[in-house]
Amino acid sequence: AQSVTQLDSQVPVFEEAPVELRCNYSSSVSVYLFWYVQYPNQGLQLLLKYLSGSTLVKGINGFEAEFNKSQTSFHLRKPSVHISDTAEYFCAVSEYTGFQKLVFGTGTRLLVSP
Amino acid sequence: GAVVSQHPSWVICKSGTSVKIECRSLDFQATTMFWYRQFPKQSLMLMATSNEGSKATYEQGVEKDKFLINHASLTLSTLTVTSAHPEDSSFYICSATPTGYSYEQYFGPGTRLTVT
Repeated sequence: AQSVTQLDSQVPVFEEAPVELRCNYSSSVSVYLFWYVQYPNQGLQLLLKYLSGSTLVKGINGFEAEFNKSQTSFHLRKPSVHISDTAEYFCAVSEYTGFQKLVFGTGTRLLVSP
Repeated sequence: GAVVSQHPSWVICKSGTSVKIECRSLDFQATTMFWYRQFPKQSLMLMATSNEGSKATYEQGVEKDKFLINHASLTLSTLTVTSAHPEDSSFYICSATPTGYSYEQYFGPGTRLTVT
């Protein structure tokens, strides 16, 4: 079975600074990888996904992530954050089994301050 | 496009009563829908996978008789929490996979259930 580790429960950063949110996964087979963002009292919004092809994936709101198979990582980055990026970020993995069954990490709270 | 709605967004019920939560895919058909539960400041835990026209598949540890799932059409899945207790209070989130696009999953805004 697959699992996802987000080591950082909270990442504080100043506005306009770069940020990296770490995600490592474990699986015995090939996986799909996702990053979702959750704003307070809301559902999840897909930021980006890796299915195949280029290991550098660009998503919405200026975020990008790089799939590193040898390190089993899928870290999320943004070169310059805004106050509005303050939210909970979840990394998720799925093994393709005919339909998608996501396993989520514990989440990282990104706190952007002025 | 790819909008999923949930109703109600917030519900309070008394202990012992049942409450139904609806999940609708508004602009696409969804053969498969998922139900998650999220405790405060924690991650989402998959409760069950719902396929249109068939019985739901529950994750280990989830009580089938307590959390009844019905996926009667390609745009609607319902979760009924039966004989609710305070420990069932949680944030319930559904997601839907467009038919033919098994790697895509779109999430609803969630339903906050409080059992008093």
